[in-house]
Amino acid sequence: EPEVTQTPSHQVTQMGQEVILRCVPISNHLYFYWYRQILGQKVEFLVSFYNNEISEKSEIFDDQFSVERPDGSNFTLKIRSTKLEDSAMYFCASSHDGYGYTFGSGTRLTVV
Amino acid sequence: GESVGLHLPTLSVQEGDNSIINCAYSNSASDYFIWYKQESGKGPQFIIDIRSNMDKRQGQRVTVLLNKTVKHLSLQIAATQPGDSAVYFCAENIANAGNMLTFGGGTRLMVKP
Repeated sequence: EPEVTQTPSHQVTQMGQEVILRCVPISNHLYFYWYRQILGQKVEFLVSFYNNEISEKSEIFDDQFSVERPDGSNFTLKIRSTKLEDSAMYFCASSHDGYGYTFGSGTRLTVV
Repeated sequence: GESVGLHLPTLSVQEGDNSIINCAYSNSASDYFIWYKQESGKGPQFIIDIRSNMDKRQGQRVTVLLNKTVKHLSLQIAATQPGDSAVYFCAENIANAGNMLTFGGGTRLMVKP
């Protein structure tokens, strides 16, 4: 069964550093998403991406965050100047038609 | 201040019994609903979905019921197995809003052998 692949599975970074979280969505999917889940809390929407542009973003997704689809297969989330409160699981998801999302296994980001 | 973790309601069932997990959604404009299962350290795993023009949908051992009048969604798992133990989230999707999902708080299902 096709999978959404995320790397790395765990990233530890110093506060103030930049991180890039990587995702390979399912190959024929057109819609791409980033969600995050702070430990013990709900899964929260960050951003959706379609047709090479952001289609929707949440209040969490401020200027510190950016997304890119650099090469037609990868979908990345960049977090600049990380803060302690950015520590969370970050999930990438993709969908063929905007429904029936498939999520990746996540990247656990720890900011120290 | 210190963030407080979400207190998850817990449903404890005996192996072989049926489980019913409930969810209240927030937006009457939501047109698509999904149930996800999340095991510790893993991403949400799709279980079953339902569109707002339906009241009921069945899958393998799972049934989702949608009551739009009271904005309520339920997941029924038949013959619950130890492998069903996980946190279950409902999620709602508002059409024409970037197809973003809004997740509920989750219910922890514990299956006793």
